[in-house]
Amino acid sequence: DTAVSQTPKYLVTQMGNDKSIKCEQNLGHDTMYWYKQDSKKFLKIMFSYNNKELIINETVPNRFSPKSPDKAHLNLHINSLELGDSAVYFCASSPTRALLGGAGAKNIQYFGAGTRLSVL
Amino acid sequence: GQNIDQPTEMTATEGAIVQINCTYQTSGFNGLFWYQQHAGEAPTFLSYNVLDGLEEKGRFSSFLSRSKGYSYLLLKELQMKDSASYLCAVRDDKIIFGKGTRLHILP
Repeated sequence: DTAVSQTPKYLVTQMGNDKSIKCEQNLGHDTMYWYKQDSKKFLKIMFSYNNKELIINETVPNRFSPKSPDKAHLNLHINSLELGDSAVYFCASSPTRALLGGAGAKNIQYFGAGTRLSVL
Repeated sequence: GQNIDQPTEMTATEGAIVQINCTYQTSGFNGLFWYQQHAGEAPTFLSYNVLDGLEEKGRFSSFLSRSKGYSYLLLKELQMKDSASYLCAVRDDKIIFGKGTRLHILP
């Protein structure tokens, strides 16, 4: 059974369209993330949810809207797609949220296989 | 600001040892991770250091010096399947990834 699964694996679409990527984890983790990996392979966090609550929201255009219906799911909706949105989007989950201060518990992240988005 | 530096590319020979360095400047520190990412695949967890010193796990070891803001990943008895990118990541209030080191293994 796949621990973190995201769909679709490939997404090719035209500029201006709206698309969604879905993510589900069956690990019982509290925290889920969306990352963007660009053509230079730089992996950058976009959003993080803990138990359906948004805890990290990086400087991302508001065309990107995450939605967490429950703690096992974190979907990403993108409006008015642009050429620069072409990238691989990874969903991830971890057992505990990152905590400020102190040497907290391990926060190992388990990644989905990625969604390769191409905007034409 | 937050910054994580690691070499862009390295090349090593099958059977040899390679050390991939990572230096970081972050406002806080709650642990350092190494992930492996094969081309076209997801990153997978390799190691975690939160205290100074060496953590050994089979052919892979990771070292941390918090005072120097420095870590390395040591890969021994290199195999062709070790050809991948290796990502250093630091946990502050969130996890920040470095740009990764692409490791090429020559037969």
